[in-house]
Amino acid sequence: ELKVEQNPLFLSMQEGKNYTIYCNYSTTSDRLYWYRQDPGKSLESLFVLLSNGAVKQEGRLMASLDTKARLSTLHITAAVHDLSATYFCAVDIEDSRDDKIIFGKGTRLHILP
Amino acid sequence: EPEVTQTPSHQVTQMGQEVILRCVPISNHLYFYWYRQILGQKVEFLVSFYNNEISEKSEIFDDQFSVERPDGSNFTLKIRSTKLEDSAMYFCASSMGGLNTEAFFGQGTRLTVV
Repeated sequence: ELKVEQNPLFLSMQEGKNYTIYCNYSTTSDRLYWYRQDPGKSLESLFVLLSNGAVKQEGRLMASLDTKARLSTLHITAAVHDLSATYFCAVDIEDSRDDKIIFGKGTRLHILP
Repeated sequence: EPEVTQTPSHQVTQMGQEVILRCVPISNHLYFYWYRQILGQKVEFLVSFYNNEISEKSEIFDDQFSVERPDGSNFTLKIRSTKLEDSAMYFCASSMGGLNTEAFFGQGTRLTVV
């Protein structure tokens, strides 16, 4: 059974600092997603990573994928308060008909002004 | 920009009642999903639907749950006899399928069972 583990689950950091959220998964996958969720809101797609070594950047967020290590990272550069949210990684199972995406537990990020 | 829409945004129901949650996926998408999220917890897979049939379902998706695509545009989740523990946010998602696709989520329906 596919397991997706994120760490840390909760992160409180100062504005201007850098930090990384880690996402490990337990089986081969051909697609990894990062989503952002604000309290009481839906899931906003941030990144889709499709291949080993993929790196994508949007503003202060950068996501990377190492399929051999089954590891994805979401790096936050010079954090600002607006980035406070819960971040989920999610993994699509390989060799499926896109049947399901399994989510990690989420990392609740709180950025202090 | 196309989006997945869900109605209602919030539903309160009495325990034992039936509820139907509605979703309109993005029009050219082929794969449809329901997920739920109990307050403050992770997003849990319920069911996926493709080619007018369920392609996969989780152990949460028991006989009390059913899905339908009645008219080619709506995608519904029915809970026959709601329980208190069914209270959660329910998200619908859709995707094109294929290597470069991604899943898009609706805004969710907050179901409160009292």
